[in-house]
Amino acid sequence: ILNVEQSPQSLHVQEGDSTNFTCSFPSSNFYALHWYRWETAKSPEALFVMTLNGDEKKKGRISATLNTKEGYSYLYIKGSQPEDSATYLCASQTGGSYIPTFGRGTSLIVHP
Amino acid sequence: NAGVTQTPKFQVLKTGQSMTLQCAQDMNHNSMYWYRQDPGMGLRLIYYSASEGTTDKGEVPNGYNVSRLNKREFSLRLESAAPSQTSVYFCASRPGQGSFIDEQFFGPGTRLTVL
Repeated sequence: ILNVEQSPQSLHVQEGDSTNFTCSFPSSNFYALHWYRWETAKSPEALFVMTLNGDEKKKGRISATLNTKEGYSYLYIKGSQPEDSATYLCASQTGGSYIPTFGRGTSLIVHP
Repeated sequence: NAGVTQTPKFQVLKTGQSMTLQCAQDMNHNSMYWYRQDPGMGLRLIYYSASEGTTDKGEVPNGYNVSRLNKREFSLRLESAAPSQTSVYFCASRPGQGSFIDEQFFGPGTRLTVL
């Protein structure tokens, strides 16, 4: 079982702050890294999937980067809004099959 | 499209009782998954079905069985529920048609309490 770690576990920011959090994963036999957004009382929804070292993805104010050599990905939120409050999950996938291993998530709370 | 649906949404069982959690998807996806989510533990894979007619164990399969009834439906059965199975259960699916990196689509979850 891969060890996918996310930090911090939780984060409180003020509206308008920019923030970022980390997903680290074993770099050997890496295949893909997924980010999901999980709002309270809803289901996880996919944000990004990244496969190549140096990949950068962006969706509105949210962006992500990937470093497969050192085994980490950053998720950035620019100008946080209360509606960004959610748990952000990353999931790492090794080559050969689609069995992603999820991290425990970072809980983001944006205060108005 | 309804996406991924799960029934029931909530269930309370007594220790030793059995029940089946139902999951269905209308997206013509090949692969389906069952996860449990516990506080501080993230999502842990119980069983998955890469395609119709196949099922495999995930990280935490003990105490569970699954059935891939057809391409749309993937059920999870607890034969003799235990308090340690109190959790929120999520079903997910993905296209699984030649790509290993497509995203998973999750159902709304079933909150199960075993007394």
